Amino acid sequence: AQSVTQLDSHVSVSEGTPVLLRCNYSSSYSPSLFWYVQHPNKGLQLLLKYTSAATLVKGINGFEAEFKKSETSFHLTKPSAHMSDAAEYFCVVSDLGRDDKIIFGKGTRLHILP
Amino acid sequence: DSGVTQTPKHLITATGQRVTLRCSPRSGDLSVYWYQQSLDQGLQFLIQYYNGEERAKGNILERFSAQQFPDLHSELNLSSLELGDSALYFCASSVGGLAVYNEQFFGPGTRLTVL
Repeated sequence: AQSVTQLDSHVSVSEGTPVLLRCNYSSSYSPSLFWYVQHPNKGLQLLLKYTSAATLVKGINGFEAEFKKSETSFHLTKPSAHMSDAAEYFCVVSDLGRDDKIIFGKGTRLHILP
Repeated sequence: DSGVTQTPKHLITATGQRVTLRCSPRSGDLSVYWYQQSLDQGLQFLIQYYNGEERAKGNILERFSAQQFPDLHSELNLSSLELGDSALYFCASSVGGLAVYNEQFFGPGTRLTVL
């Protein structure tokens, strides 16, 4: 059975410092993994996705994530936080087309301190 | 702006009632997905339609149903509403039918309040 665990419900970092949002998954198959961002009162926007190609995935707005199969992790990072990064971030595992599941993590709210 | 539109933005109704939420996908997208976002359950996938046919089903209650019309817009019908159905309902669309490969574009959501 699939699952996604976002290890932190809230993360606070100072502007200009690195961001790390942690995500662990379990999947019966070879999953596709995504990170989405949701700004206040907005819909979700795709940041990046992993679909069994390169394990280091670069996304929009300077974010990237590394797929580590041995650790079943897909952590999201950014070298330098910006105030506009304050939002909620969702890690998603998808096996649609295999057992037809899309599983969202509970979300991590990122706070940026001035 | 993702290009996905949802109406209405807000909906307030009473328990036991029935409502219909509408979604228009991005031009050219054949898949529509419905999601429910609530504080206690988080974001849950409900159902996916691809080119008019049901493609995948998630945690959708039997009181809920959806369809996709020939013009590719979709409607989510919620009946016998309960207080716990109060949530934000998102629609998303993608070009292809397999979410494992296709980026989903999300609409702004419909906020449903059941009193």
